[in-house]
Amino acid sequence: NAGVTQTPKFQVLKTGQSMTLQCAQDMNHEYMSWYRQDPGMGLRLIHYSVGAGITDQGEVPNGYNVSRSTTEDFPLRLLSAAPSQTSVYFCASSRDRTREKLFFGSGTQLSVL
Amino acid sequence: QKEVEQDPGPLSVPEGAIVSLNCTYSNSAFQYFMWYRQYSRKGPELLMYTYSSGNKEDGRFTAQVDKSSKYISLFIRDSQPSDSATYLCAMSYLGTGANNLFFGTGTRLTVIP
Repeated sequence: NAGVTQTPKFQVLKTGQSMTLQCAQDMNHEYMSWYRQDPGMGLRLIHYSVGAGITDQGEVPNGYNVSRSTTEDFPLRLLSAAPSQTSVYFCASSRDRTREKLFFGSGTQLSVL
Repeated sequence: QKEVEQDPGPLSVPEGAIVSLNCTYSNSAFQYFMWYRQYSRKGPELLMYTYSSGNKEDGRFTAQVDKSSKYISLFIRDSQPSDSATYLCAMSYLGTGANNLFFGTGTRLTVIP
């Protein structure tokens, strides 16, 4: 049981480039989400999904897209990377919408130059 | 005013000390209270989960919720160097949306051998 798997662990992009952060969970969790973590800001919700085919915006969605075609996968797309998107990104899942027990991936450290 | 306030520390204690970590909040609708532990360069992991008021104990860890004061605490007894990490409080309430889970910014703890 791998839990929540994120790839890549590290990534450096140039301004304007696009990329996809991958997230997969093998716990058959209904809820999946993406957070970014910045010093002094804590964890901020980017996008979330309450099931396959259903996604919604969180607190800081601008510049990011998501889709959820399967229960297991929830990729995060950066459309045109900006230095302000330099951050550590975490994918998290939980069994249901109450989300009081989140399982996090190990994170992707992204630098945008 | 932030939904959840947490002293960022850092907090440094000798091995064996009792550690007290705290968060305050403003929204009386919060019902679920969590503590996550995050080691350096890792994702947060759920440490303690409490529903509504009261205490919950798990080994050396005790979570306390005082809804009348809007204050939650995590106590660590007989602290160990392996407890050195950042501790995030989190709280949520039921609602139709999923944008109702809030994290503190984290308190960085170092336990000195």
